[in-house]
Amino acid sequence: QITLKESGPTLVKPTQTLTLTCTFSGFSPSSGGAGVGWIRQPPGKALEWLALIYWDDDKRYSPSLKSRLTITKDTSKNQVVLTMTNMDPVDTATYYCAHSDLTGPSQYFFDYWGQGTLVTVSS
Amino acid sequence: EIVLTQSPATLSLSPGERATLSCRASQSVSNYLGWYQQKPGQAPRLLIYDASNRATGIAARFSGSGSGTDFTLTISSLEPEDFALYYCQQRSDWPITFGQGTRLEIK
Repeated sequence: QITLKESGPTLVKPTQTLTLTCTFSGFSPSSGGAGVGWIRQPPGKALEWLALIYWDDDKRYSPSLKSRLTITKDTSKNQVVLTMTNMDPVDTATYYCAHSDLTGPSQYFFDYWGQGTLVTVSS
Repeated sequence: EIVLTQSPATLSLSPGERATLSCRASQSVSNYLGWYQQKPGQAPRLLIYDASNRATGIAARFSGSGSGTDFTLTISSLEPEDFALYYCQQRSDWPITFGQGTRLEIK
């Protein structure tokens, strides 16, 4: 059974760096095919894809946020970490991590999601 | 970037009725389009991938169709639990993009 769970601060100040951790189980990114993505959703607004990391450590980023994002994985801990620099109040959102089978039939769609974590940016 | 436009923004129907949700892409995405359902306070759930394939465990009343730029999610007979937000997503090109959503509400 695949599960994912996000953790990190609920409140950050403007200009600070946000670090979110996705802890997962039920799959191994090192075994091939698995990817983990980050998606966010401002309150009352639509989903926005942020980043994706492949099992071979290849990475993809949203072009509009690429300069502020870094995604990494620690396979020994079954974790994927997203950092976002220079946080602004417009970055207030629920941040989700999600699994994608990058070689299976539903590749690049997100078939398992964490519960999400609400991050508020405010001084 | 490929822009996905969903219509209508809100759809008001009654249980038992048929729901038809639309997603239009700003350029062809072939059949690389999926649909998600999101209920309040929950994460999205994958319903349909590659235009017409139901994800694991998804009820048969959900179906998807379309190719190129125009796609449809159909719910054949609405159950009370189907009233939610629905998003489309394309995987044809980077960046992955989502539509702005359609809210399906009880009439």
